[in-house]
Amino acid sequence: RKEVEQDPGPFNVPEGATVAFNCTYSNSASQSFFWYRQDCRKEPKLLMSVYSSGNEDGRFTAQLNRASQYISLLIRDSKLSDSATYLCVVKSGGYQKVTFGTGTKLQVIP
Amino acid sequence: GAGVSQTPSNKVTEKGKYVELRCDPISGHTALYWYRQSLGQGPEFLIYFQGTGAADDSGLPNDRFFAVRPEGSVSTLKIQRTERGDSAVYLCASSLRGGDGTEAFFGQGTRLTVV
Repeated sequence: RKEVEQDPGPFNVPEGATVAFNCTYSNSASQSFFWYRQDCRKEPKLLMSVYSSGNEDGRFTAQLNRASQYISLLIRDSKLSDSATYLCVVKSGGYQKVTFGTGTKLQVIP
Repeated sequence: GAGVSQTPSNKVTEKGKYVELRCDPISGHTALYWYRQSLGQGPEFLIYFQGTGAADDSGLPNDRFFAVRPEGSVSTLKIQRTERGDSAVYLCASSLRGGDGTEAFFGQGTRLTVV
């Protein structure tokens, strides 16, 4: 089983739609969680950290469920500019190894 | 510099040759990560440095791959006897420290093509 698993998609959604991505992780001792965004042929960039209590940043909401070992990202009112690959990232271990999921590709359609 | 700098941005080499990829992290960042990303895949962890030492090198695929960070800043990823399967984008990231919640900033990557 991979350490971090995501549905690769692609998710094709119309503008204005709400879309949700899930990510599961295998290491129950994982300590920090993030969502990164990667545009085509560009480097990944931090979208948001994921906190135990859940957190929101504008149209984006992230949730963490430690008991079930998954994190989620909800995007409301999708924009064309949201089209990208969304990478789930988990930090774990005493040396804080950072592990990426394979990414979920989102395409927002006019 | 303002961000993580990787050189070269592109490297084409012949099968069997040796290559070095350089990463210049953000000044003051103690944690440095190397990843490899193939088309359509997420970044695959290779090695993590905390300061000068490799805290975790479990992702290095075999002994042809080696990385150093002798002064705790610039890092070099070295690949011996390159194979076509080594072709990928090699990403470097740094963070202020390796601990909880600290964001990792990525360089733009080195696209390695082995022909």
